Amino acid sequence: EDQVTQSPEALRLQEGESSSLNCSYTVSGLRGLFWYRQDPGKGPEFLFTLYSAGEEKEKERLKATLTKKESFLHITAPKPEDSATYLCAVQGRGSNYKLTFGKGTLLTVNP
Amino acid sequence: DGGITQSPKYLFRKEGQNVTLSCEQNLNHDAMYWYRQDPGQGLRLIYYSQIVNDFQKGDIAEGYSVSREKKESFPLTVTSAQKNPTAFYLCASSIGWDPRYGYTFGSGTRLTVV
Repeated sequence: EDQVTQSPEALRLQEGESSSLNCSYTVSGLRGLFWYRQDPGKGPEFLFTLYSAGEEKEKERLKATLTKKESFLHITAPKPEDSATYLCAVQGRGSNYKLTFGKGTLLTVNP
Repeated sequence: DGGITQSPKYLFRKEGQNVTLSCEQNLNHDAMYWYRQDPGQGLRLIYYSQIVNDFQKGDIAEGYSVSREKKESFPLTVTSAQKNPTAFYLCASSIGWDPRYGYTFGSGTRLTVV
């Protein structure tokens, strides 16, 4: 059974204070690891897909990296508008099209 | 613009009632999904469909039913057998098994039992 654990559960940063969110996973044959952003009361918004260890992807102040056991979402010089819940999910080769999600990290960036 | 439309945004259900949540997509995606989100928990898969007229149970299907008569539509019925239906329900779709684009999610329906 695929499993995803995200840490910390909540993170509070000052504007400009860089940090990282962690996503640890176990999966039977990784097809893809996904990062989503979710604002309160809305559906998740797709950010990145990572496929193999060593891969990195960037979007504005966000950079996602992947190892064989975990993924990091690095946030450089965050702004208050980066405040959201960040969700990590995996798709395994034995799971058809299904994604398994972690519980998310609630990020708050104070001005 | 292409996307997924969920309706209604808020829904109130009395004890013993069945209610149906609507999900429509115009992305021409083959696969569609229903997830449930509760505070402090990850998204949990209720049902998914890879093709018209076919669907499979997810991890928490008890008390729910779905249909997939059209490619664009995947309605979810929350039956009276669902013991704790109050939650945020999310519909999603994807281009088959290709993970490049992940899922596209709707904006959700918040269901409350009164």
